[in-house]
Amino acid sequence: RKEVEQDPGPFNVPEGATVAFNCTYSNSASQSFFWYRQDCRKEPKLLMSVYSSGNEDGRFTAQLNRASQYISLLIRDSKLSDSATYLCVVNQESSYKLIFGSGTRLLVRP
Amino acid sequence: DADVTQTPRNRITKTGKRIMLECSQTKGHDRMYWYRQDPGLGLQLIYYSFDVKDINKGEISDGYSVSRQAQAKFSLSLESAIPNQTALYFCATAAGGGAGIRQETQYFGPGTRLLVL
Repeated sequence: RKEVEQDPGPFNVPEGATVAFNCTYSNSASQSFFWYRQDCRKEPKLLMSVYSSGNEDGRFTAQLNRASQYISLLIRDSKLSDSATYLCVVNQESSYKLIFGSGTRLLVRP
Repeated sequence: DADVTQTPRNRITKTGKRIMLECSQTKGHDRMYWYRQDPGLGLQLIYYSFDVKDINKGEISDGYSVSRQAQAKFSLSLESAIPNQTALYFCATAAGGGAGIRQETQYFGPGTRLLVL
């Protein structure tokens, strides 16, 4: 079983749609959780950290369910510029090493 | 100017050649990482360094070596390149010192595309 699993997609949605991505992780000792965004042929960039209480940044909402070892990302009012691959990232146990999921691809169409 | 730079950006080499990929950062970060990314796969950690005197193997270190020449520089070498080392290579940095695990944010360089023929 992969340490971090994501649906690869692609998710193909119209502009203005709401879309949700899910991610599961295998190590219950993980303490830090993130969503990174990666554009085609570019480097990953931090989108947002994920906190136990859930957190929101504009149109983006992240949720963490420790009991189910599950992380989600909700994007509201999708824009064309949201088209990218979204990487779920979890730290390896109590270390500074990060484990990256293989990503979920999002395509937002006009 | 970019905070994390990588050279070269693209490289074609032949099987058996030794090559070096370089990474420099102006962020003043202690922690530096080398990853490779293959199509459809997540980033895989090759080596990482938490300070100048610290070098650690990642998940896929075989066939690679690294050197941390200074806080700002971390280079990756392929001693004898082979075709399955064809990939996109990223360097990343993260703050050290008092930053806790929950604040671990990694900043990536633009990547080096390597093709081994």
